[in-house]
Amino acid sequence: KQEVTQIPAALSVPEGENLVLNCSFTDSAIYNLQWFRQDPGKGLTSLLLIQSSQREQTSGRLNASLDKSSGRSTLYIAASQPGDSATYLCAVMGAGKSTFGDGTTLTVKP
Amino acid sequence: NAGVTQTPKFRVLKTGQSMTLLCAQDMNHEYMYWYRQDPGMGLRLIHYSVGEGTTAKGEVPDGYNVSRLKKQNFLLGLESAAPSQTSVYFCASRPGRFERNQPQHFGDGTRLSIL
Repeated sequence: KQEVTQIPAALSVPEGENLVLNCSFTDSAIYNLQWFRQDPGKGLTSLLLIQSSQREQTSGRLNASLDKSSGRSTLYIAASQPGDSATYLCAVMGAGKSTFGDGTTLTVKP
Repeated sequence: NAGVTQTPKFRVLKTGQSMTLLCAQDMNHEYMYWYRQDPGMGLRLIHYSVGEGTTAKGEVPDGYNVSRLKKQNFLLGLESAAPSQTSVYFCASRPGRFERNQPQHFGDGTRLSIL
């Protein structure tokens, strides 16, 4: 059974800092890994998707990496802003379905 | 661009009542999913469907039933609601297995309270 862990559970940083969120998974037989953002009381918004054959994906200030052999992914956020405050979830896609981590709640203080 | 639409957005039920949550997608996606999200527990898969007329159990299927009579719709039913089913329910969809590296798209959620 696939298990996904996200560390830390919560993170508070001052505006402007670069930060890294971590995601680990137990079964390396995945199709892809997806990072989502969730604002309070809202649904999930897809940020980045990394295919199993890829090492990283970039979108603006976000960079996600994937090391399938070690079962790890990181989401790097550059020059954090208060608007980045949200919960970030990673999900690994296997045959037909995804397994989600519990998320990291990020607070960026002005 | 409607994407994934969930109805209703909010609902309060009494224990023992029944209801159906509707998910509709307009992207011609093969795969559809129902998740529940509870504080501190992330998203847990209830049931999913890999195509019209098919359904499969996820991680927490007990107390729920689903139907996928039309490709664009995925219904989640609670036959006899229990307080433990108080949660936020999310529907998601994505293209089929030949497009496995396309992202999932989520609805805005249904907030369900069982008294």
